Amino acid sequence: GDSVTQMEGPVTLSEEAFLTINCTYTATGYPSLFWYVQYPGEGLQLLLKATKADDKGSNKGFEATYRKETTSFHLEKGSVQVSDSAVYFCALNTNAGKSTFGDGTTLTVKP
Amino acid sequence: DAGITQSPRYKITETGRQVTLMCHQTWSHSYMFWYRQDLGHGLRLIYYSAAADITDKGEVPDGYVVSRSKTENFPLTLESATRSQTSVYFCASSSMGPNSNQPQHFGDGTRLSIL
Repeated sequence: GDSVTQMEGPVTLSEEAFLTINCTYTATGYPSLFWYVQYPGEGLQLLLKATKADDKGSNKGFEATYRKETTSFHLEKGSVQVSDSAVYFCALNTNAGKSTFGDGTTLTVKP
Repeated sequence: DAGITQSPRYKITETGRQVTLMCHQTWSHSYMFWYRQDLGHGLRLIYYSAAADITDKGEVPDGYVVSRSKTENFPLTLESATRSQTSVYFCASSSMGPNSNQPQHFGDGTRLSIL
């Protein structure tokens, strides 16, 4: 069945470091891919999305590229800030009518 | 304000009691969802609804009941609460179904503790 595998956390970085959170997926057809972010005490918020192969989603300095050949959608940011500390979820929507979420990766950025 | 709101934000109750979690959205989204979030399990879908009066089971529906008499409301009821239902519950909505390219919009959650 459909699945999303995320890089296990927690991830701890210093401010201004480069961030990569890996995400790979298994799905039938051509899924739409999403990254959500969850700040403490809040619900998930859409961070970015990509709907077809080679699309790049971007928002707030974060980027992810839909790589169909490697079934990946890795999240990157060139210079993280303390305010980026949160839990990040990779997710997909499939043609079969199902949303699947990864288990989340906790990021802590230290000053 | 437009958005999706859940109430209450925090709830403590006892085993065997009935408890209802409320969810209200102002976007007129067709689809609404209930998830629970537990350490080690990520997000698990409990129930979802494609429109008023149309609901369907998700991954973990046992012990829960939903209704959707109006598009904007999607309450979740635990008919006889058990300790295993202690969790954080999230409601979400979307303009189109999970087979689309539309994201889900989440409420801030209800933290439920069952003693």
